[in-house]
Amino acid sequence: NAGVMQNPRHLVRRRGQEARLRCSPMKGHSHVYWYRQLPEEGLKFMVYLQKENIIDESGMPKERFSAEFPKEGPSILRIQQVVRGDSAAYFCASSPTTRSQETQYFGPGTRLLVL
Amino acid sequence: QQQVKQSPQSLIVQKGGISIINCAYENTAFDYFPWYQQFPGKGPELLIAIRPDVSEKKEGRFTISFNKSAKQFSLHIMDSQPGDSATYFCAPGIRAGGTSYGKLTFGQGTILTVHP
Repeated sequence: NAGVMQNPRHLVRRRGQEARLRCSPMKGHSHVYWYRQLPEEGLKFMVYLQKENIIDESGMPKERFSAEFPKEGPSILRIQQVVRGDSAAYFCASSPTTRSQETQYFGPGTRLLVL
Repeated sequence: QQQVKQSPQSLIVQKGGISIINCAYENTAFDYFPWYQQFPGKGPELLIAIRPDVSEKKEGRFTISFNKSAKQFSLHIMDSQPGDSATYFCAPGIRAGGTSYGKLTFGQGTILTVHP
């Protein structure tokens, strides 16, 4: 079962540290999306990437957050100098390289806790 | 700015009953209307989706009804089972074109509890 993989599943960081979240899309998928879910809320879009390109980053905070999807390897969501408000579940989704790009398959998420 | 509103926030149904969850949207550019199911500690999983050229789609016990003029779509779960207890999200999106291409806009979620 080669679904979307995310790691780590849980991540604890102290304020000011860096958090790196990794996402491996499903086999054959070259479109990756990152979403953030705060407790008791729905998912909020952050960024949409294709291999080596950022397509839409309209949901990304202007500072401290960055994302990449290199030619080789997983997509990375990087949060620098984390603050307590960054505590959330971060989900990655992928979609195939076909016209049905709206069908997004989600990973299990990374739960980030900032102390 | 709330583009997508779900109701109710929570729903309790007896086993065998019908669960109905509604979603209202504002953005007329949406042309893809999925429902996702999420269990605690897991990622959302696509349940069923509809395109705007049809008014209803049924897959097993799950049905989407779509009303384009009212800008609403709903999820109906027939013969609800305890295993259906989860959080349900509508997440309309745009298939192609424009700056919102590929992005899903999630509702706030509906917590469904099905009692045995």
